[in-house]
Amino acid sequence: DAKTTQPTSMDCAEGRAANLPCNHSTISGNEYVYWYRQIHSQGPQYIIHGLKNNETNEMASLIITEDRKSSTLILPHATLRDTAVYYCIVRARGGTYKYIFGTGTRLKVLA
Amino acid sequence: DTAVSQTPKYLVTQMGNDKSIKCEQNLGHDTMYWYKQDSKKFLKIMFSYNNKELIINETVPNRFSPKSPDKAHLNLHINSLELGDSAVYFCASSHPGGQLYEQYFGPGTRLTVT
Repeated sequence: DAKTTQPTSMDCAEGRAANLPCNHSTISGNEYVYWYRQIHSQGPQYIIHGLKNNETNEMASLIITEDRKSSTLILPHATLRDTAVYYCIVRARGGTYKYIFGTGTRLKVLA
Repeated sequence: DTAVSQTPKYLVTQMGNDKSIKCEQNLGHDTMYWYKQDSKKFLKIMFSYNNKELIINETVPNRFSPKSPDKAHLNLHINSLELGDSAVYFCASSHPGGQLYEQYFGPGTRLTVT
């Protein structure tokens, strides 16, 4: 799996958009970008994933650069409950069941 | 109404003891999993059961023994606990063949072996 780099921490005001960047310069053509989060040691929660097109669901939007070397997760209207550690993972569909979450970005949403 | 529940949430025990962690899901899924997440946030699957049958058994010491009395329950029993077993253990469930993003996770059990 390709390595990813994320900022260690970020703050965001409640109600504002939270933009979480991820660099994955060694991504391969068949690898997807997945985003998960863990809220205070709870189990991983899937947020969104994409290959090369931008994606949007009820939780977030995922913007992937044209060269696919970086992406941004956007929480359009952050709430206090979005405070969590966000992980960007790059991997091919299927594959092994070993997932490396890395250090992630600790997002703190401020009232 | 909890989807995937685990008990206990915290477990502190001494080396050499035997302990169990219980997991239950009320989502009607056929497949359940046990994952281990270590201090480096390395999440690795340990076992997977589909309708009470073992389908994935990663390289895990045989001190770890899963048991699935029915498809809604998957318990994990650990014999002769070692320091290296300290981690957070997550139970998850999904429909058969579910990828990680299709799995629902429990709240985790933080096991500390002293």
